[in-house]
Amino acid sequence: GAGVSQSPRYKVAKRGQDVALRCDPISGHVSLFWYQQALGQGPEFLTYFQNEAQLDKSGLPSDRFFAERPEGSVSTLKIQRTQQEDSAVYLCASSDKRIGELFFGEGSRLTVL
Amino acid sequence: EDQVTQSPEALRLQEGESSSLNCSYTVSGLRGLFWYRQDPGKGPEFLFTLYSAGEEKEKERLKATLTKKESFLHITAPKPEDSATYLCAVYSTSGTYKYIFGTGTRLKVLA
Repeated sequence: GAGVSQSPRYKVAKRGQDVALRCDPISGHVSLFWYQQALGQGPEFLTYFQNEAQLDKSGLPSDRFFAERPEGSVSTLKIQRTQQEDSAVYLCASSDKRIGELFFGEGSRLTVL
Repeated sequence: EDQVTQSPEALRLQEGESSSLNCSYTVSGLRGLFWYRQDPGKGPEFLFTLYSAGEEKEKERLKATLTKKESFLHITAPKPEDSATYLCAVYSTSGTYKYIFGTGTRLKVLA
């Protein structure tokens, strides 16, 4: 596709539900990042993939958060047993370089009631 | 620990009133400093990359500069369409793979 695609754009979950957020990066981009952005804040790093390898997951807030990129393209961020503090916009970004311009999707806005 | 601080948090300018946004950073070794623009409800959009002190980049009304401690985003004669949040990010040699973002400056340009 022309850019990074994320779905769903909006998700409302009841506390305790599991959610899955999908990211379709730009074709051929090796690097893929997930960030969490709270209202009025900058993006906070969650995890990084180089192809299918998850090289850094130091930003995942708890073991309820899990990310995968099994074939080195599409990635899924899964949040189990959602809590109200998980409410945020989840941004996916891809790049064809290790260090360089990141191409962001429009984000998935998660609201946990 | 690597840190990025942006100031001011918010800025209101009249159309045509030039100003500068600041990004101060503390990193173990800078590999790159990045500026992004973010419109409401959208993902950040890349503007510039700066790699070493003294480097400057320009694009239309925007000019980014870099020193060993901070970067400035200069906006010359802004227009209302320049209203957005401007984010600064750094990539360091700390051994992790993450870009560290500041909290951004919310710019509003009034007609």
